[in-house]
Amino acid sequence: KAGVTQTPRYLIKTRGQQVTLSCSPISGHRSVSWYQQTPGQGLQFLFEYFSETQRNKGNFPGRFSGRQFSNSRSEMNVSTLELGDSALYLCASSLGPNNEQFFGPGTRLTVL
Amino acid sequence: SQQGEEDPQALSIQEGENATMNCSYKTSINNLQWYRQNSGRGLVHLILIRSNEREKHSGRLRVTLDTSKKSSSLLITASRAADTASYFCAPKGSARQLTFGSGTQLTVLP
Repeated sequence: KAGVTQTPRYLIKTRGQQVTLSCSPISGHRSVSWYQQTPGQGLQFLFEYFSETQRNKGNFPGRFSGRQFSNSRSEMNVSTLELGDSALYLCASSLGPNNEQFFGPGTRLTVL
Repeated sequence: SQQGEEDPQALSIQEGENATMNCSYKTSINNLQWYRQNSGRGLVHLILIRSNEREKHSGRLRVTLDTSKKSSSLLITASRAADTASYFCAPKGSARQLTFGSGTQLTVLP
């Protein structure tokens, strides 16, 4: 079974731009969660989608948004990028909220 | 919050030795998960132990859970250089998301 895939793997943007990251979960998994990892703040939960609905949201500004499609693939969008948005963005999928989460390799976003 | 706190923050051992890292948490849980992260990469799921389990094994990994003390430990036996990574615990309660601590940075010296 293929694992969680994330595209792109690396991205360089400038302040003020917007970015869209994509995540394809493991086949059959309906829950997709997003996390941001930075050296200063560690791993922080962004949001979770299940059956195309956002079920939970972390403490991030409205510039961070996401969605999930009917095939469970998910995208997250960050608008008006700031330098502090430079991070590794990780996506994880699971069968449901109480099952193991399996992570993708991440997208490394650098904001200049 | 359901965040786990790993201890120690850093651990350095020789190849072949055992490595033990601990996790403490504050509220009741449904399960607790351990993850490994190699530098700059995604997290790899190691083990999930449920609240009604006390011990679980997977290859060279042994995880224990003591719900009365709200703590868990991860033991890696006969460590290898490839085990060098950061290890995170994620206690899972009623909240849907996982919350991670700062992790234990394990360095296995050849």
